[in-house]
Amino acid sequence: AQSVTQLGSHVSVSEGALVLLRCNYSSSVPPYLFWYVQYPNQGLQLLLKYTSAATLVKGINGFEAEFKKSETSFHLTKPSAHMRDAAEYFCAVSELGTASKLTFGTGTRLQVTL
Amino acid sequence: DTGVSQNPRHKITKRGQNVTFRCDPISEHNRLYWYRQTLGQGPEFLTYFQNEAQLEKSRLLSDRFSAERPKGSFSTLEIQRTEQGDSAMYLCASSLANFSGNTIYFGEGSWLTVV
Repeated sequence: AQSVTQLGSHVSVSEGALVLLRCNYSSSVPPYLFWYVQYPNQGLQLLLKYTSAATLVKGINGFEAEFKKSETSFHLTKPSAHMRDAAEYFCAVSELGTASKLTFGTGTRLQVTL
Repeated sequence: DTGVSQNPRHKITKRGQNVTFRCDPISEHNRLYWYRQTLGQGPEFLTYFQNEAQLEKSRLLSDRFSAERPKGSFSTLEIQRTEQGDSAMYLCASSLANFSGNTIYFGEGSWLTVV
């Protein structure tokens, strides 16, 4: 069975500060990993994905994530937070090759303050 | 590309009534998924289709829930005899599964409130 753990249900940063959202995965096979963002009362938007190519993945809105197999991690970062980044962020895993469904973490709510 | 479309966006129903949600996937996407999301939680997988075939169902999908995808195009999710515990957002997603991967795109969701 595969799973993801997101450490920290709430993260607060100042505008312009570094954003770091943590995700650790568990999978019996090499995984696909994803980060999605959800704004209030909306669906999920794909930020970026890892599919066994480059371990450093760049996504939209200035976000990036690094796949570290030794640490079973896929943390999401952004060098400088903006007010519009305030949202809920979900890490998800699916099985490489089948990719039949996503298993999500419980999410991290990012708050950006002035 | 008009995105994944879901309707209705909001539904309030009395306990015991039946409700149906519709999902129109991105055109040419062969896979269609249904997820459920409750407040403060991540989306939970319910079921998915490859074309018109329903390939997997979660144990979360009780016998009161039924999903169809006739002709491999739009899909419906019906909940019979609704219970208060069914209150959630129901998310539909679609993807084009091929040898290079499978990126899943989500719709805006359909909120269900059972009173």
